[in-house]
Amino acid sequence: EAEVAQSPRYKITEKSQAVAFWCDPISGHATLYWYRQILGQGPELLVQFQDESVVDDSQLPKDRFSAERLKGVDSTLKIQPAELGDSAMYLCASSPRGNEQFFGPGTRLTVL
Amino acid sequence: EDQVTQSPEALRLQEGESSSLNCSYTVSGLRGLFWYRQDPGKGPEFLFTLYSAGEEKEKERLKATLTKKESFLHITAPKPEDSATYLCAVQAYFSGGYQKVTFGTGTKLQVIP
Repeated sequence: EAEVAQSPRYKITEKSQAVAFWCDPISGHATLYWYRQILGQGPELLVQFQDESVVDDSQLPKDRFSAERLKGVDSTLKIQPAELGDSAMYLCASSPRGNEQFFGPGTRLTVL
Repeated sequence: EDQVTQSPEALRLQEGESSSLNCSYTVSGLRGLFWYRQDPGKGPEFLFTLYSAGEEKEKERLKATLTKKESFLHITAPKPEDSATYLCAVQAYFSGGYQKVTFGTGTKLQVIP
């Protein structure tokens, strides 16, 4: 069964350092999402791609966060510099038709 | 602004004790409502999509229903393995013809043997 892949699964970094997360969606899924989830809360959309184009990044803190999906397949989310408040689970999801989403296992980020 | 409110925040049931989780929403141009299950430390797992008022979907002990303002996730005779956080999400049209998804904060369900 096809799955969304994410790496790393866990990341510990110090504040002011740069971190990057990678996501490989299910093959053929045109829509890709990055979410941030704080413990006890629902996922918060950071950025949504349709193929290689960004269609919504209104909640992405653009002074420190960036995201790309160069060939419309896999994607990278970067934080530079990381802050203490960035500690959270970062989830990637993909969708075949922009409706139901299939999530990866997430990357747990801890900023010290 | 689209809003999704889930209640209760937490629910503790005895095994076999049926109950319902609520998801109320305020959105312009509903495209669909989704239910997901999330186990601790894992990504959400898709359960159901509902598109129009009156629609119902079932899967094992779970049944989801939709009205114009809310959705219910009914759990019949739950088992301990049903323990998880259940998330509701609404999808609505926004600029450019794309759809935006907003998640609720979830209901944490614990089923005690």
